[in-house]
Amino acid sequence: GAVVSQHPSWVICKSGTSVKIECRSLDFQATTMFWYRQFPKQSLMLMATSNEGSKATYEQGVEKDKFLINHASLTLSTLTVTSAHPEDSSFYICSARVGAGKETQYFGPGTRLLVL
Amino acid sequence: AQSVTQPDIHITVSEGASLELRCNYSYGATPYLFWYVQSPGQGLQLLLKYFSGDTLVQGIKGFEAEFKRSQSSFNLRKPSVHWSDAAEYFCAVGASGSARQLTFGSGTQLTVLP
Repeated sequence: GAVVSQHPSWVICKSGTSVKIECRSLDFQATTMFWYRQFPKQSLMLMATSNEGSKATYEQGVEKDKFLINHASLTLSTLTVTSAHPEDSSFYICSARVGAGKETQYFGPGTRLLVL
Repeated sequence: AQSVTQPDIHITVSEGASLELRCNYSYGATPYLFWYVQSPGQGLQLLLKYFSGDTLVQGIKGFEAEFKRSQSSFNLRKPSVHWSDAAEYFCAVGASGSARQLTFGSGTQLTVLP
């Protein structure tokens, strides 16, 4: 149980285009999902917290107009990188938490984004 | 705000040897502590977690960790390392706020020699 999927697993796009990444909890309902960014050989940096049916909470320094997050259902959250630029190239990982009071986050396999 | 320190950036051990990865945390209350493992190009897999109770926690793949409040530590151990254990290991502490956000350490890269 507690499987989280991400799609796509990797994407290459041209500078200026937008890219959407999906995060799904496959066998549980996730009231809260998290989006992280990871640079090579570095730790995970929390970008935003996404709660189903409400606006995402962004960490300091993360542009909410650049990284659009939608959590329209209890099993799906999406991250859209708008007008992507080469500096947005990174490994994006989502995680999902089961219900309130449940502390464990289950992580997706990640999406590698390369912006040319 | 909570923080996590993993003092060892890279550790190399021989297959069959014992392993201990260090993790120190800073948090004002009783922490929720986690160890995750990440293989190259993959997401994170939960190895074990500590919320309360017994301070020695058993996880998957033969790993265990011990919570020591006096030392603010949550070190990960394995008595006999397998080549497949080579990966990046992250310690994390969970916040007590409603969002339950995780703060990760910088990670320890484990290399296993044959």
